[in-house]
Amino acid sequence: DAKTTQPPSMDCAEGRAANLPCNHSTISGNEYVYWYRQIHSQGPQYIIHGLKNNETNEMASLIITEDRKSSTLILPHATLRDTAVYYCIVRSTSYDKVIFGPGTSLSVIP
Amino acid sequence: DTEVTQTPKHLVMGMTNKKSLKCEQHMGHRAMYWYKQKAKKPPELMFVYSYEKLSINESVPSRFSPECPNSSLLNLHLHALQPEDSALYLCASSQQGTGFGNTIYFGEGSWLTVV
Repeated sequence: DAKTTQPPSMDCAEGRAANLPCNHSTISGNEYVYWYRQIHSQGPQYIIHGLKNNETNEMASLIITEDRKSSTLILPHATLRDTAVYYCIVRSTSYDKVIFGPGTSLSVIP
Repeated sequence: DTEVTQTPKHLVMGMTNKKSLKCEQHMGHRAMYWYKQKAKKPPELMFVYSYEKLSINESVPSRFSPECPNSSLLNLHLHALQPEDSALYLCASSQQGTGFGNTIYFGEGSWLTVV
């Protein structure tokens, strides 16, 4: 079973920040939090990952709570091209079994 | 370069046909994966190869037969499939070992239709 829970859908106005939450209350100390997105009919695209510190790259920011039981993916200025299903995954680098949950369908609205 | 290449992009096959899906990566990754994705569902793990050996088989029916000829290539051989096997098949790869996580990179997928 997936180790994460996410809201099934969210809307965001174009140009505003999109904040996508993820709960991973059973995360282990050696498990990373990964975010992917999948635009219709394409393969999942890697966005960002982190262990316990907040991370930022050119696509997004990842905020992980101090207890590591939840995280938030932030798309700072959402565009229509950010409309996609966003998956939050926890993964141990010592174990290859990576399971996807249902994800969050983000709709960016003009 | 974080590219995983899958061929063909689209495949239509009859239930008595034998066909193969192919996947290639040149990132030096030693773990390779097959996922199956039905419409409006998340990807489901099928197989994992680690250092060219099958390490995980998620109880996939034997009509799907994976093969890893070398560290850069991954095949999925298909035989006697059913219409319900029609789906998007995704290949992925990742580095092995510890460090700051080992990101899994996905290909664009092969759309399979069984008629």
